[in-house]
Amino acid sequence: GQNIDQPTEMTATEGAIVQINCTYQTSGFNGLFWYQQHAGEAPTFLSYNVLDGLEEKGRFSSFLSRSKGYSYLLLKELQMKDSASYLCAVDPGGSYIPTFGRGTSLIVHP
Amino acid sequence: SQTIHQWPATLVQPVGSPLSLECTVEGTSNPNLYWYRQAAGRGLQLLFYSVGIGQISSEVPQNLSASRPQDRQFILSSKKLLLSDSGFYLCAWTGLAGGSTGELFFGEGSRLTVL
Repeated sequence: GQNIDQPTEMTATEGAIVQINCTYQTSGFNGLFWYQQHAGEAPTFLSYNVLDGLEEKGRFSSFLSRSKGYSYLLLKELQMKDSASYLCAVDPGGSYIPTFGRGTSLIVHP
Repeated sequence: SQTIHQWPATLVQPVGSPLSLECTVEGTSNPNLYWYRQAAGRGLQLLFYSVGIGQISSEVPQNLSASRPQDRQFILSSKKLLLSDSGFYLCAWTGLAGGSTGELFFGEGSRLTVL
């Protein structure tokens, strides 16, 4: 089976740093995606982690620990436009059917 | 470059009416295609996926069906809509076959309200 958990909602202040966690228990694992979804829009790709460790992309970084079944997305220097839902998704390999978590709604306030 | 389009963007349908959502991909060949549904406040639920023309796999038994009449065309249909079919429908594609990896590229989404 597939089980992916992430917090439902988080709030943070503009200019701050926020960490969105994701834990997973899946029957197969090849890598982990993070997507950003603004209200009423389609998700857009942020990052993909295959190996353990931190990958940085500008203000966004993503971390993976395969042994712990754990990932996080780190957002620095938060801006109001970062208010969105952040979706964690597991790539199980094999038939390639990504499985998504429910998403974390991030609210950035002034 | 590759693009994906789906339509209509918004529709309001009465219970019991039929549904047809269409999705097309351009700039690639033999993509994996997916239909997801997102209910209010919930995650993405995979409905159907296809690895080739005429090859459809269903993840959730329901009154919806999908077809892939051409390599880059994916259609979601229903003969009789239910209230529970309301939601945000997303078509997506990836260019990599099973066993490989790649991000999903999503269409703009179709918001369906069943009254």
